Amino acid sequence: AQSVTQPDIHITVSEGASLELRCNYSYGATPYLFWYVQSPGQGLQLLLKYFSGDTLVQGIKGFEAEFKRSQSSFNLRKPSVHWSDAAEYFCAVVSYSSASKIIFGSGTRLSIRP
Amino acid sequence: NAGVTQTPKFQVLKTGQSMTLQCAQDMNHNSMYWYRQDPGMGLRLIYYSASEGTTDKGEVPNGYNVSRLNKREFSLRLESAAPSQTSVYFCASSVGGEVSGNTIYFGEGSWLTVV
Repeated sequence: AQSVTQPDIHITVSEGASLELRCNYSYGATPYLFWYVQSPGQGLQLLLKYFSGDTLVQGIKGFEAEFKRSQSSFNLRKPSVHWSDAAEYFCAVVSYSSASKIIFGSGTRLSIRP
Repeated sequence: NAGVTQTPKFQVLKTGQSMTLQCAQDMNHNSMYWYRQDPGMGLRLIYYSASEGTTDKGEVPNGYNVSRLNKREFSLRLESAAPSQTSVYFCASSVGGEVSGNTIYFGEGSWLTVV
């Protein structure tokens, strides 16, 4: 079965530092991949998505992600984090068994050091 | 801009009680979902409805039932609540189907505690 792995449960970075959150997937074909962000007490908001084409995807709030088929990865990056980026981040993939079934990773909680 | 609306936002149940979480979307989406979110587990899919009139099990369907009442509404029922069902529940919707751009839109969550 397809799956999504986010190996880092919690990451702390200093404000202004660069950020990379890791996401690995197992999938039999070209996946549809997403990154969502969840602020405390809120639902999830889409940051960016990849379906095909350019493997570097730009999203909202200055985030980008790169799809690397050879590594089965879709890592999220930001060159300079802001205190408001503190949140939980989820990677997700569309299931090949049903285009409507979207599977999420376990999430990475990001803390920002002043 | 209502989007996805779920009720109630907070609920405390006693073990063995039943309840229904309601969800409605006003975006004319085909697909709707119920997820639960637990610490360290991320979001796990309980049930989904790819289109009006269909429902399918997700990763953790045991102890739950769903009804796709119409295109707008998708309810989640706990017939006999158990403490293991204490969680935050999210309803979501998407255009769905074999369509790229299948972005999910989430409700604000329902905090359920079973004592």
